Amino acid sequence: DGGITQSPKYLFRKEGQNVTLSCEQNLNHDAMYWYRQDPGQGLRLIYYSQIVNDFQKGDIAEGYSVSREKKESFPLTVTSAQKNPTAFYLCASSILLRAYNEQFFGPGTRLTVL
Amino acid sequence: AQKVTQAQTEISVVEKEDVTLDCVYETRDTTYYLFWYKQPPSGELVFLIRRNSFDEQNEISGRYSWNFQKSTSSFNFTITASQVVDSAVYFCALSDGASGGGADGLTFGKGTHLIIQP
Repeated sequence: DGGITQSPKYLFRKEGQNVTLSCEQNLNHDAMYWYRQDPGQGLRLIYYSQIVNDFQKGDIAEGYSVSREKKESFPLTVTSAQKNPTAFYLCASSILLRAYNEQFFGPGTRLTVL
Repeated sequence: AQKVTQAQTEISVVEKEDVTLDCVYETRDTTYYLFWYKQPPSGELVFLIRRNSFDEQNEISGRYSWNFQKSTSSFNFTITASQVVDSAVYFCALSDGASGGGADGLTFGKGTHLIIQP
């Protein structure tokens, strides 16, 4: 079955450590996105990529980094520079980077920084 | 700048009641797209519907219906004869077409937590 996988589902890290969240899709989509969700809040865009080796900052990119070495993979690194990293992180993809394309979401990773 | 407002933070109804979730949006663009997503307790967002700014026809899909009104910048979602399985957080989202094809991703409202009591 085609879809988006994110791992792990739950992640705990100590303050000051970098951590990488995995996102893989087998939908053959060109565009991929990372969103952050805080309790009672909508999703906010961190980074997006429309093609391999290309990515752009979203609304809240500070303290995060990404890479897009393969079409299927778009890992997100939460660095120690991110002041409040505890949140629910959702990865998404769409066929192309077009406004009319619906985005498909993965199951999310819940990151807790102790 | 884009903005999506879902004023209803939480709605609780008894099963079989009809319920409407409100969504008001702001955009300067004439071409834009509106979406509704459902987020069940598992956390994964599920796409429900897309509507473009040039199509004001209301849409019905089973127990779900959507009312798009450009005059009031609203895109409301109604569930008829609600069921317990409809309990979830529902998000309205906006994407405009002027920025080169959705280059800014989706702008989400804060969501409405819908609770259907048996």
